[in-house]
Amino acid sequence: GAGVSQSPSNKVTEKGKDVELRCDPISGHTALYWYRQSLGQGLEFLIYFQGNSAPDKSGLPSDRFSAERTGGSVSTLTIQRTQQEDSAVYLCASSLSGGALYEQFFGPGTRLTVL
Amino acid sequence: KQEVTQIPAALSVPEGENLVLNCSFTDSAIYNLQWFRQDPGKGLTSLLLIQSSQREQTSGRLNASLDKSSGRSTLYIAASQPGDSATYLCAVMSSGGSNYKLTFGKGTLLTVNP
Repeated sequence: GAGVSQSPSNKVTEKGKDVELRCDPISGHTALYWYRQSLGQGLEFLIYFQGNSAPDKSGLPSDRFSAERTGGSVSTLTIQRTQQEDSAVYLCASSLSGGALYEQFFGPGTRLTVL
Repeated sequence: KQEVTQIPAALSVPEGENLVLNCSFTDSAIYNLQWFRQDPGKGLTSLLLIQSSQREQTSGRLNASLDKSSGRSTLYIAASQPGDSATYLCAVMSSGGSNYKLTFGKGTLLTVNP
């Protein structure tokens, strides 16, 4: 079946602009994660959604970052007033459910470049 | 705070060689450990998932071991091939939290030369 998909695959924006990144999880997966992969920093957790529960936002680096998940499926990560340090690859992952038993499956990522 | 370290950062081997990639983590209170492969410009492909109660998992030429008490895991690749060239990432899911996030190492860049 289809894996996790993300769009756009690449995004170039100017400093100060807002951007929206989209993630389509695997159908039927109730858990969804956003991670960020920066040069030299490795992969860092941003936010976690499980079903209709309130998301765990503990990894978001600033209040310029927000995410929502509509209908328990598609998720959008929004970065307001982008800064150059936001340049990174943003990866989305989904799993059948939240919990230790379930593998996380990753999408191809969105490469964000802030000029 | 959980920290994951991978050694070596880069490894270059001739085709056919067996090799070991190392991963260590500071907090042994984990649910599981997962090994991923990342090709340039691509997302992550899950290779093996080891639950905290398990000692090892095998898939084809790959074997991953877990020693939770000492905070270590190894990924063994047998009879390496040029197609194995990629970055290998180790990630742990710590227990005690409610978000089931993965904490990643910075990866080992593997090059297998024909």
